[in-house]
Amino acid sequence: TQLLEQSPQFLSIQEGENLTVYCNSSSVFSSLQWYRQEPGEGPVLLVTVVTGGEVKKLKRLTFQFGDARKDSSLHITAAQPGDTGLYLCAGVGDSSYKLIFGSGTRLLVRP
Amino acid sequence: NAGVTQTPKFQVLKTGQSMTLQCAQDMNHNSMYWYRQDPGMGLRLIYYSASEGTTDKGEVPNGYNVSRLNKREFSLRLESAAPSQTSVYFCASRSGGAGNQPQHFGDGTRLSIL
Repeated sequence: TQLLEQSPQFLSIQEGENLTVYCNSSSVFSSLQWYRQEPGEGPVLLVTVVTGGEVKKLKRLTFQFGDARKDSSLHITAAQPGDTGLYLCAGVGDSSYKLIFGSGTRLLVRP
Repeated sequence: NAGVTQTPKFQVLKTGQSMTLQCAQDMNHNSMYWYRQDPGMGLRLIYYSASEGTTDKGEVPNGYNVSRLNKREFSLRLESAAPSQTSVYFCASRSGGAGNQPQHFGDGTRLSIL
């Protein structure tokens, strides 16, 4: 069974601070997606990383896929209150039709 | 742009009652999914339909049934609701083909079983 573990589960930081969220597995994934979910809404895709070692940037967010394609990280620089939400990583598993979701990191950025 | 539409948005049931959660997508996607989301547990796949005419079990299918009515619609049925099925249910769709295409989610159905 493929599993994804996210850490930390909860993060409360001050506006302007930096943070990193981790997504780890013992399994190899063909690609990994990061979603953000706001209260009362469904998750929305932020980025997909496909190649081992790949780094993608989305404004102040930097996503990295591990060389062995077993782990990924999300780094936010100078966090803002608008970054508050639940961040979910999801790996494309053995069946390409299904995603394996991590348990999520709930981020609160205080003004 | 409607995307994925779920109905109802909220529902309260008594133990043993049945109900059907509806989901429709207008993006001509091939694959559709039902998840449940519980605190601290991310999203767990209940059932999915890789293409019209097919359905398969996910991680937590017990107590649920699904119907892929046509390409647009994928419904989830609880035959005899139990308090353990209190959760937020999300429907998603995906165009299909290569595995790294994103899933598009509805806004969820909040279901409470008393």
